Amino acid sequence: EAGVAQSPRYKIIEKRQSVAFWCNPISGHATLYWYQQILGQGPKLLIQFQNNGVVDDSQLPKDRFSAERLKGVDSTLKIQPAKLEDSAVYLCASSLVGQTSGNTIYFGEGSWLTVV
Amino acid sequence: AQSVAQPEDQVNVAEGNPLTVKCTYSVSGNPYLFWYVQYPNRGLQFLLKYITGDNLVKGSYGFEAEFNKSQTSFHLKKPSALVSDSALYFCAVRARNYDRGSTLGRLYFGRGTQLTVWP
Repeated sequence: EAGVAQSPRYKIIEKRQSVAFWCNPISGHATLYWYQQILGQGPKLLIQFQNNGVVDDSQLPKDRFSAERLKGVDSTLKIQPAKLEDSAVYLCASSLVGQTSGNTIYFGEGSWLTVV
Repeated sequence: AQSVAQPEDQVNVAEGNPLTVKCTYSVSGNPYLFWYVQYPNRGLQFLLKYITGDNLVKGSYGFEAEFNKSQTSFHLKKPSALVSDSALYFCAVRARNYDRGSTLGRLYFGRGTQLTVWP
């Protein structure tokens, strides 16, 4: 079974530039997540989709971050303009949707962003 | 408010010795609890989870974890550590039975514990 695919794996940009990350979840997983992991910290949820609808984006800095999942499968996370503090690993994850929240969340390899 | 604490930033053990990585949590109601492992320059890999039933949960690579409701803990254990177990370990908690639109469904992570197993 293919896992969660992410690209690019590594990106270096200058501050105020823009960047986009792409994610393809595990086949059949209706729920997709974007997490931000800053060095030395645990991952923090940025946004959660169920199919193509947003379930939770309360921690997404909406002035510079945006995400979409137009057809309910692939997703794109964009940062524009980037700040130095956005340097982090951006983890995409997916899970089945069900009646409980016990479903395992599976993570991709991450997209490593360095803003200089 | 929901939170996870991993009180040790680092754990060092000798190969062949038992290891424990500690985790305590705070959540409204009964939790779902997870352990993930992260190797250098890699994403998070699922190890095991507690949903219900037996308090001792067995997972991948010989790891197990014990759910202790009274102490609100979910410590990760392995009877005999390997050098290849050296990695960053994350504990995570999720509230049980969330509704669409509720932040209760969010997975909360600890800060991680760096495990080093030396030969």
